[in-house]
Parts: sequence; C-alpha cells; structure tokens
Amino acid sequence: AQTVTQSQPEMSVQEAETVTLSCTYDTSESNYYLFWYKQPPSRQMILVIRQEAYKQQNATENRFSVNFQKAAKSFSLKISDSQLGDTAMYFCAFTGISLGQNFVFGPGTRLSVLP
Amino acid sequence: KAGVTQTPRYLIKTRGQQVTLSCSPISGHRSVSWYQQTPGQGLQFLFEYFSETQRNKGNFPGRFSGRQFSNSRSEMNVSTLELGDSALYLCASSLRITGLARETQYFGPGTRLLVL
Repeated sequence: AQTVTQSQPEMSVQEAETVTLSCTYDTSESNYYLFWYKQPPSRQMILVIRQEAYKQQNATENRFSVNFQKAAKSFSLKISDSQLGDTAMYFCAFTGISLGQNFVFGPGTRLSVLP
Repeated sequence: KAGVTQTPRYLIKTRGQQVTLSCSPISGHRSVSWYQQTPGQGLQFLFEYFSETQRNKGNFPGRFSGRQFSNSRSEMNVSTLELGDSALYLCASSLRITGLARETQYFGPGTRLLVL
C-alpha cells in the first residue's frame, strides 16, 4: 500500500521569505502522480501544483515549485516570496495511474506566514 | 465553469440518525470521490464513483454508502450515526477520460457534520 509522509506538522515563515515543505512517499510503482493541495483556514481545498512521475523536469506554478527526487521518493514544495494568503494546511498527495488507484494524502503541514 | 458544490454545508444530527450528503461535480467530470477529514485522522478516502459504479472503496464500515446518478451527481449516506462520525466530508471530482489517466481532483467546500 502506498503511504505519504509529511514530517513537519507545523511551520512558520516571515512574509516575503522562502519556505520548503517536505513530503516523502512509498510506492512500488514506476508511473504515478504527485500533488500539493492547499486548504486555507475554513476554506476550500485547492490544487497548488501537480507532478507526473515520468517527467524529470520539476513542476512550477508562479511562486510555487517542487523538488521531485524519484529515486529518493521525495517531493518537496518550495514557496518563494511568501504571502499572508499562503497561510494554510498543505497536503501532499499520491495516486497511481490505474483505475483501481485512489488518492492517498499525507497528514498535512500547517504553514503560518507571519507579517 | 462552476466548481464542485456540496449540500448542505452544515449539519447537526444525533446519534443513531442517518444522513445524506450531496455532491455536484464540475460539469463534464465523471468521477466523484468522497473523503472524511478529521483533526486526528486527516483525510481518509471513503469511496470513488465513476459512471454510476463504485470503483474504489476505503476502509470504512458498511454504514457508509454512496451512489452516483447518470448526471454524475453523487450522494453519500451514513446510517446509524456515531459520535465519531463528526467530521468534514469532502467531495472531489475529476474528468477520468480514460481508465488509465489519473486526472487532478477538484474539491468542493465540504459538508461539516456534527453528531451529538
């Protein structure tokens, strides 16, 4: 069974600084997808970034980028120029490619951006 | 496009009652998944429906059931409610054009259920 681990339950960062959230996963599959989702306080869960395992290039979305290390099964999220609106729970998620696969989420990292 | 909608947004029930939650996916999305979110257990997968058929099921008791209609709308039912069922229930939809393509899931705002 696949598992997703986020070793940092809580983190804080000063506004405008850079922060990196860690995620490791365990799978025996070679093709899969990885995601970072953001859930602001009392608000909807939204997709931050997505990475296909067969792509070697790290995904980027504006201030958000990932460091995907397939051999190490590591998928960290870097937030540059942190903004107050980045305060949220961040979930790392994994899914395989086949029909029988469901999404597996990590326990989440609570990020606070401080003014 | 309108996003994923869930009704009701808040619900208070008592132990032993049953509850039905509704989810309308993004237009064109054929897959709907349900999750239970609690502070202690995080996000737990309940089940996924695709083309009116349950494709995957998580490790939850039979009191939790669901269905999907021909318009891809989905309902989730919990019978004989227990205090531990208090949680935020999230619905997520995705395209699922082919069985082998894992599409991104888009989440609804959730239904917050409180069982007294």
